[in-house]
Amino acid sequence: ILNVEQSPQSLHVQEGDSTNFTCSFPSSNFYALHWYRWETAKSPEALFVMTLNGDEKKKGRISATLNTKEGYSYLYIKGSQPEDSATYLCASVKAAGNKLTFGGGTRVLVKP
Amino acid sequence: NAGVTQTPKFQVLKTGQSMTLQCAQDMNHEYMSWYRQDPGMGLRLIHYSVGAGITDQGEVPNGYNVSRSTTEDFPLRLLSAAPSQTSVYFCASSRQGSHSGNTIYFGEGSWLTVV
Repeated sequence: ILNVEQSPQSLHVQEGDSTNFTCSFPSSNFYALHWYRWETAKSPEALFVMTLNGDEKKKGRISATLNTKEGYSYLYIKGSQPEDSATYLCASVKAAGNKLTFGGGTRVLVKP
Repeated sequence: NAGVTQTPKFQVLKTGQSMTLQCAQDMNHEYMSWYRQDPGMGLRLIHYSVGAGITDQGEVPNGYNVSRSTTEDFPLRLLSAAPSQTSVYFCASSRQGSHSGNTIYFGEGSWLTVV
């Protein structure tokens, strides 16, 4: 994988259901993987910065896992609520680089 | 604590006009950057700075200019606006070390339309 790719592009979830989506990134020279949550007209908000293979991080009902060998990360939302509606962005960083490469985002809409 | 402040929030420009998007942070962060957000394309890096007096190009620098005379400020200049520069612009900063493993703080975005 040459670029950072997120799938699906958009997701409709019923309130109370759990969901997950994927970020794929180049595994060579991997340094870090960032996840952000972005609501339109607001600042993207940092969720997680992950660096180690097998890392799992959790923030409330949102959690993420990281597989650096195969180049993917999953973001999970447990018991989705309408306030979880947002675009979730991931970004990878190569070793010794100062530049993040962002994926196109997964837009999540939680329906009451 | 204001964090990262961008102005203006909305702007409409005519083709060929120039303008400056302002960005200021009050966290004493060394690293600052500008991104543009276009539908389905994620955030793309325009220019970045690793400290006062130092700037470098990102992924899509053409048509933009930056300077970093102080730690706090990192303005983005559109030299001659084109419709292709219609986008949402985000300024971001992170603390000394690198962007890599540190949390990045974003401004609220500037919506720019070029007609």
